[in-house]
Amino acid sequence: QTQLVQSGIEVKKPGASVKVSCKASGYTFTSYGLSWVRQAPGQGLVWMGWVTTYNGHTNYAPKFQGRVSMTVDTSTATTYMELRGLRSDDTAVYYCARGKTTHPGAFDLWGQGTLVTVSS
Amino acid sequence: EIVLTQSPGTLSLSPGERVTLSCRASQSVSRNFFAWYQQKPGQAPRLLIYGVSTRATGIPDRFSGSGSGTDFTLTISRLEPEDTAVYYCQQYGSSPLTFGGGTKVEIK
Repeated sequence: QTQLVQSGIEVKKPGASVKVSCKASGYTFTSYGLSWVRQAPGQGLVWMGWVTTYNGHTNYAPKFQGRVSMTVDTSTATTYMELRGLRSDDTAVYYCARGKTTHPGAFDLWGQGTLVTVSS
Repeated sequence: EIVLTQSPGTLSLSPGERVTLSCRASQSVSRNFFAWYQQKPGQAPRLLIYGVSTRATGIPDRFSGSGSGTDFTLTISRLEPEDTAVYYCQQYGSSPLTFGGGTKVEIK
């Protein structure tokens, strides 16, 4: 079954870091790039950046540059997103999403989402 | 950064009606790298349209996309009850990729 399965709910204090995983199955992992998109409660979608799975090259949105890292473990077909210096406004559902081969910014497969709550 | 503005914010229509959702970009979207997504409560978004007008796998043909440059449209030819959702436009021709604020479609 072709799917992306993310790690579970996280609760963090302000200033902490969170690392969310996204495990791919059912397709050739290194043939598709992966992006991370977040959605604050009741709000819209915000693209955070993407990682090229075959070589680990990254492209981060300016809003998150310096605070985010996206990495890849090809041996386990898993992508990780780490966000540092958490603030209350980082509370959101974080999604990983696969880009199509010819349209890498169009996301045809999504993880189930990981809720990250930042609260003191 | 390309800002995408969707209109209207909310639509309330009856089953069988034709629905037209608009999305305007602050700059021209390059290479027609433009998509539409559907999101239902508690679910991840679902890709409907990419490349302005190509339907994604499994998407019914009542969904269609059109437009170019800075003005894009998603049309639902005959609204079904299961189409109740928030619809987002997205451009992926320029980094950072950006999404519109969404249009909520409700069934009367």
